[in-house]
Amino acid sequence: QKEVEQDPGPLSVPEGAIVSLNCTYSNSAFQYFMWYRQYSRKGPELLMYTYSSGNKEDGRFTAQVDKSSKYISLFIRDSQPSDSATYLCAMRSGNQFYFGTGTSLTVIP
Amino acid sequence: DTAVSQTPKYLVTQMGNDKSIKCEQNLGHDTMYWYKQDSKKFLKIMFSYNNKELIINETVPNRFSPKSPDKAHLNLHINSLELGDSAVYFCASSQGGVSGANVLTFGAGSRLTVL
Repeated sequence: QKEVEQDPGPLSVPEGAIVSLNCTYSNSAFQYFMWYRQYSRKGPELLMYTYSSGNKEDGRFTAQVDKSSKYISLFIRDSQPSDSATYLCAMRSGNQFYFGTGTSLTVIP
Repeated sequence: DTAVSQTPKYLVTQMGNDKSIKCEQNLGHDTMYWYKQDSKKFLKIMFSYNNKELIINETVPNRFSPKSPDKAHLNLHINSLELGDSAVYFCASSQGGVSGANVLTFGAGSRLTVL
């Protein structure tokens, strides 16, 4: 079983839709939770990171962590074509980072 | 003012050749990483150095040899290239430690194609 599970999609939504991306994990030692966005032929860039259970909001993006269920989510409101990318969840324990397989998102104008 | 820079960006070579990828970061981070990303976008850790000391060495063929001359540089040398080595290799850096500031900053990637 992988440390981090993420539905690879692909996910295709119309512009303006609310997008929900999710990851589950098995290791209780994970303390920090991150979402990276990767455009085609680019490196992953950090979108959000959280520590505790609960919600963290940044503009149209909301990261949610439920440590009791070992489940994290990223919500994108009012999705835009520029949000089309692969979204990778990542988790950290000490100096070790563990990534999901990424979800490919396309927002159709 | 690029934070993490890798060279070359593209590398096309024949099987059996030896090649190197270089990485430099100007963020003042003390930990650097090499990741391999396959065609399905999965990021697999290969190596990590903290202040020039190897701290993560995953199950990687010994044809791959990292070298860190100082904490701002981490290079990857690959001997006897094989078809299966074709992938995108990402360098990343982080502040290290257990605080919340320890997040990865990635370079743009080096796309290696072995023919």
